[in-house]
Amino acid sequence: AQSVAQPEDQVNVAEGNPLTVKCTYSVSGNPYLFWYVQYPNRGLQFLLKYITGDNLVKGSYGFEAEFNKSQTSFHLKKPSALVSDSALYFCAVRDMNNNAGNMLTFGGGTRLMVKP
Amino acid sequence: DAGITQSPRHKVTETGTPVTLRCHQTENHRYMYWYRQDPGHGLRLIHYSYGVKDTDKGEVSDGYSVSRSKTEDFLLTLESATSSQTSVYFCAISERVPTNYGYTFGSGTRLTVV
Repeated sequence: AQSVAQPEDQVNVAEGNPLTVKCTYSVSGNPYLFWYVQYPNRGLQFLLKYITGDNLVKGSYGFEAEFNKSQTSFHLKKPSALVSDSALYFCAVRDMNNNAGNMLTFGGGTRLMVKP
Repeated sequence: DAGITQSPRHKVTETGTPVTLRCHQTENHRYMYWYRQDPGHGLRLIHYSYGVKDTDKGEVSDGYSVSRSKTEDFLLTLESATSSQTSVYFCAISERVPTNYGYTFGSGTRLTVV
């Protein structure tokens, strides 16, 4: 089985400071990993993904994420937060060896609040 | 949310009535999914489809049924709506291998059962 944990329900950060949103995963094989962002009254939007290759992945809006296989983590980061980054963030995983329905498993979401 | 639309966007219905939500895609993707989003639970899979007339249950399928008679349409039916089914429902689509975006999501349907 595959699973994802986002240990923080909410992360608060001041504008201009670096931010980190944590994600850990569990799969039996190698993972596909994703981050999505959800703004109010909208669907989820793709931010970035890790499939293979470099452990540091860069995505939209200046976000990046670091894949750490030994710690089974895929934390989302940004060097300097903006108020407009305030949203709900979801981490998702798919086991590369799991062909059942091509399904992603989502974490519970972390609300990011960036204060001016 | 180009390529995928959900209807209706909002619906209020009474307990015990049937409700059908529609997801329509123009991307010709094989896989389609229905999720519900609730505070404290994140996204939970209701049903998914891996082709026309090929569907399977997710983790919270009780009280829901689905149909996919065409590649582009995936319908979610609440046979007899209950207050516990008040939620925001998202449809998603995916290619066979999540090489690009994993899933593409619709804008959601906010369903209230009174």
